[in-house]
Amino acid sequence: SQQGEEDPQALSIQEGENATMNCSYKTSINNLQWYRQNSGRGLVHLILIRSNEREKHSGRLRVTLDTSKKSSSLLITASRAADTASYFCATVLDNYGQNFVFGPGTRLSVLP
Amino acid sequence: KAGVTQTPRYLIKTRGQQVTLSCSPISGHRSVSWYQQTPGQGLQFLFEYFSETQRNKGNFPGRFSGRQFSNSRSEMNVSTLELGDSALYLCASSLGVGKGWNEQFFGPGTRLTVL
Repeated sequence: SQQGEEDPQALSIQEGENATMNCSYKTSINNLQWYRQNSGRGLVHLILIRSNEREKHSGRLRVTLDTSKKSSSLLITASRAADTASYFCATVLDNYGQNFVFGPGTRLSVLP
Repeated sequence: KAGVTQTPRYLIKTRGQQVTLSCSPISGHRSVSWYQQTPGQGLQFLFEYFSETQRNKGNFPGRFSGRQFSNSRSEMNVSTLELGDSALYLCASSLGVGKGWNEQFFGPGTRLTVL
């Protein structure tokens, strides 16, 4: 199975609501990153959290990391229709290089 | 600063053929990584090149190969195409230094269809 796995696989909410996605991983990491992908396009980097950090904010995004539980969560507050996309967590193992391991993603639908 | 560019954007090939995809990273970035994205397997790491050397490799057969040029541009090649190679191939560039903490910037991808 994959290093990173997002939960839920799909999420549908109304505009203005908050969306929470979770990511679990298996091995030690150097950092964890969240990416967004609009349908069939390239990925856009959202936020990076290092293994020695517990929480990070960027605009309407809040990411937490619990290394003891090997899990992370992404919270999008006051969601908008434009937030509709797939969200992936990517783990970077504790080594050199850029071989990111992505989870299967959470498909978020924000309904107007 | 220009983003990551990939060419071509769409490609249709038949089984048994070979294909070459190209990626131009962001200026100044020395690391280029390639990923395959399919509905069934998700995003899977193919390989990473840094300063013209393959630094990491994913779990793909030898039909998948790549290279990086002195200007950091990269190509990946798939020989003897199979139907299962139909996918979106994404290229990502990053500074590539340090211990895996770099943000990766992704190109729009090349959608390969094998008939």
